[in-house]
Amino acid sequence: AQTVTQSQPEMSVQEAETVTLSCTYDTSESDYYLFWYKQPPSRQMILVIRQEAYKQQNATENRFSVNFQKAAKSFSLKISDSQLGDAAMYFCAYRGSNTGNQFYFGTGTSLTVIP
Amino acid sequence: DAGVIQSPRHEVTEMGQEVTLRCKPISGHDYLFWYRQTMMRGLELLIYFNNNVPIDDSGMPEDRFSAKMPNASFSTLKIQPSEPRDSAVYFCATSSGRAGAGELFFGEGSRLTVL
Repeated sequence: AQTVTQSQPEMSVQEAETVTLSCTYDTSESDYYLFWYKQPPSRQMILVIRQEAYKQQNATENRFSVNFQKAAKSFSLKISDSQLGDAAMYFCAYRGSNTGNQFYFGTGTSLTVIP
Repeated sequence: DAGVIQSPRHEVTEMGQEVTLRCKPISGHDYLFWYRQTMMRGLELLIYFNNNVPIDDSGMPEDRFSAKMPNASFSTLKIQPSEPRDSAVYFCATSSGRAGAGELFFGEGSRLTVL
């Protein structure tokens, strides 16, 4: 089975500053998708950003961007100009093309935004 | 589209009672996943279906848990008899297996408390 590792259980950032959340994964596939999901206290799981492995360009969604290093199997999330509403649990997820379309999730990083 | 719809949002029951959680997937999505989330164990995949057929139920904790998908519009997760350790948030999530489609869409979750 694929594994997704988030080595930072908790992170904090000052409001308006930038923070990077780490994620690594293990796979032998060449074609796959990577995702970052956000889970605020409301518990709704919200897609933040996605990256297709065949794309070399890093995905960007407004203040959220990723640093995708395919060879290193690394997929970090950068949040710029952090806002109080960014406080949440963030999950990294992997979906392979040859693993029955199953999703594999990391254990999550709890992000605190300090006013 | 209304998104993934789960019911009930909250359920409080007593040990030994039967619990049924329901899920209506997004129309056209051919994959349906049931997850359980707790503080101790994080997000766990219980079972998933493809075209209404169970593909992997290795995450189902024990025989007290069962899941069905009688048609493309409806799935249930049943716990009988329930125990206090089953207290958790249960998520239903769906996705499309079409190439390039990618992400997982989550329902709002059902918070189960077993007394």
